[in-house]
Amino acid sequence: GAVVSQHPSWVICKSGTSVKIECRSLDFQATTMFWYRQFPKQSLMLMATSNEGSKATYEQGVEKDKFLINHASLTLSTLTVTSAHPEDSSFYICSASGEQGGNSGYTFGSGTRLTVV
Amino acid sequence: QKEVEQNSGPLSVPEGAIASLNCTYSDRGSQSFFWYRQYSGKSPELIMSIYSNGDKEDGRFTAQLNKASQYVSLLIRDSQPSDSATYLCAVNYNQGGKLIFGQGTELSVKP
Repeated sequence: GAVVSQHPSWVICKSGTSVKIECRSLDFQATTMFWYRQFPKQSLMLMATSNEGSKATYEQGVEKDKFLINHASLTLSTLTVTSAHPEDSSFYICSASGEQGGNSGYTFGSGTRLTVV
Repeated sequence: QKEVEQNSGPLSVPEGAIASLNCTYSDRGSQSFFWYRQYSGKSPELIMSIYSNGDKEDGRFTAQLNKASQYVSLLIRDSQPSDSATYLCAVNYNQGGKLIFGQGTELSVKP
C-alpha cells in the first residue's frame, strides 16, 4: 500500500533554532500534502495545504513565516519550524493525497514529536 | 466555520459489548466521511470511509451516515481491550481536499 515516510520521528531542539521535518511518498505521487499539528489530548489541527510546485495555503492563525512549507517535488514535502519556542512543542503529522494515495486517498506519515527546550 | 463535533468521552464499555461513537458536522456540502483510530503517540490509522447514506460494514466495524441529519457514527461490535484508543471523525468537502477532524472520542474497553 501507499506509504509516507516522515522524519525525524522525534526531535529536541533549543529555543530559537529551526527544525526541518520531511515527508516522502515512497510509492505514489503526492500531489497535495497536508500538515497537521496535534497538542496533547487534542485533535489534529490543519496548519497548511501544499500542492507540488505552488505556495502553501495556510489556515487562519498559522504564521506562514514561522512554519515554512516546501513541496518542490511530487514525492517530497518539508515543514520547517523557524525560531522554535517551547509553545511550538507538539506532534506534527503530514498527510499526502494523490494518485494511489491509500484506501481513502489520504496517507499519513508516522508523525514527528517536537520538543523545544 | 466548518466544524466536526464529537463527544470527547471517555467512553467506557466492557469487553464484548458494542461501542457506539457519534459525530456531527456542520456543512451540508460535505462529501466524504472517515473514521480514524489513534493510539497515544501514534499517527491516525484509517478504519472506515463512507460516502453515501446508509450503513457500511467491515468486520466488527459499521459506519452509518445520515446526510439529512448531518451525522455519522461508528459501531464497534465485540469490543476488545485492543480497541482502546481515540477515535477521530474526519470530513472533507471535495475529493482529495483537506480533512477536518473532530476532537476525538477516547474509548476504553475494560476486560
